[in-house]
Amino acid sequence: DAKTTQPPSMDCAEGRAANLPCNHSTISGNEYVYWYRQIHSQGPQYIIHGLKNNETNEMASLIITEDRKSSTLILPHATLRDTAVYYCIVRFPGWAYGQNFVFGPGTRLSVLP
Amino acid sequence: DTGVSQDPRHKITKRGQNVTFRCDPISEHNRLYWYRQTLGQGPEFLTYFQNEAQLEKSRLLSDRFSAERPKGSFSTLEIQRTEQGDSAMYLCASSWISGFSPLHFGNGTRLTVT
Repeated sequence: DAKTTQPPSMDCAEGRAANLPCNHSTISGNEYVYWYRQIHSQGPQYIIHGLKNNETNEMASLIITEDRKSSTLILPHATLRDTAVYYCIVRFPGWAYGQNFVFGPGTRLSVLP
Repeated sequence: DTGVSQDPRHKITKRGQNVTFRCDPISEHNRLYWYRQTLGQGPEFLTYFQNEAQLEKSRLLSDRFSAERPKGSFSTLEIQRTEQGDSAMYLCASSWISGFSPLHFGNGTRLTVT
């Protein structure tokens, strides 16, 4: 499975958009991009996933570049409750369903008042 | 609440004791996963079930660890002869059978071995 690279930490002002980048330059054509976040002392929370097209839900937007080598998770109006570690995961859904869902160290987002 | 439920939330045990954790997945989900997370690290895969069949095991799952899902619903993870290195958060997740279905995690059981 493709590895991902994320900045270790980012800050964002409350009420502003938080743009979290993820590099996955070795992604293959049928690997999906997933984003999760983990607030202290809780389990990871699923945010969004996509293959090629940009995706949006009530939590966030996922922008995937045309060459699929990178993506950005956008939280449109960050609040203090969005302070968490954000994980970008690239996964092929065909087999090894557990082994290929690999979490890296993620990006620690701090939303500042 | 119809999310993934884990019990207990916290467990403190002495080295050498056995412990068992329980996970109740989202009821419609066929797949169930166990992960382990140590401080400052991302979750690491331990094992995976599809219905009652255990289909994958990580090499992290030593012979002191055993997981079951006897009726394809709830699952248990047992650690025998606990060691201090077993101290971690143990996370359970579940998903639909569809390959690209995301995993939905519970809030974990934090194990402290003294």
